[in-house]
Amino acid sequence: AQSVTQPDIHITVSEGASLELRCNYSYGATPYLFWYVQSPGQGLQLLLKYFSGDTLVQGIKGFEAEFKRSQSSFNLRKPSVHWSDAAEYFCAVGGFGNEKLTFGTGTRLTIIP
Amino acid sequence: GAGVSQSPRYKVAKRGQDVALRCDPISGHVSLFWYQQALGQGPEFLTYFQNEAQLDKSGLPSDRFFAERPEGSVSTLKIQRTQQEDSAVYLCASSPTGRGRETQYFGPGTRLLVL
Repeated sequence: AQSVTQPDIHITVSEGASLELRCNYSYGATPYLFWYVQSPGQGLQLLLKYFSGDTLVQGIKGFEAEFKRSQSSFNLRKPSVHWSDAAEYFCAVGGFGNEKLTFGTGTRLTIIP
Repeated sequence: GAGVSQSPRYKVAKRGQDVALRCDPISGHVSLFWYQQALGQGPEFLTYFQNEAQLDKSGLPSDRFFAERPEGSVSTLKIQRTQQEDSAVYLCASSPTGRGRETQYFGPGTRLLVL
């Protein structure tokens, strides 16, 4: 069975500070990994995805994530957060021939001035 | 171009009522997905269509839930005899072909409250 764990329910960071959101996955084959962001009342927007190749992937809005197979992790990072980054962040896993996504429970990000 | 749209955006139902939730995917997208997002949780897969064929309905929680996509475009998720535990946001997503590495584009969701 596939699963995603996001250990941090809520993170608060100061504007301009760096950010790392953790994601651990369980998947029986080569995973496809995704980070989505959800603002209040909005649908999910894709930040970035990994399915092969370079393990460091760049996304929109200055986000990046690193796939570490040995640690079953796909952590999301941003060097300097902006107030507009406040939202809920979801990590998800899928795979070849497995079209459905399995999501984590999300991490809510609060930005303080 | 237009994204995925869903209607209604909000729905209040009395326990026992039937409801129908509509999803308009991005034009030309072959695959369509339904997810259920309970309060404070991540989305959970319900069902998946490729064109008009429902290829996976393993996530539907009971036989009260039924989804269709008769012409391979618009989809409807129907919940019969609604119960309070059905209260959630129902998200629809579409993708060009449905291959696992593709981006799924999500609609804004329908928030269902069952009283």
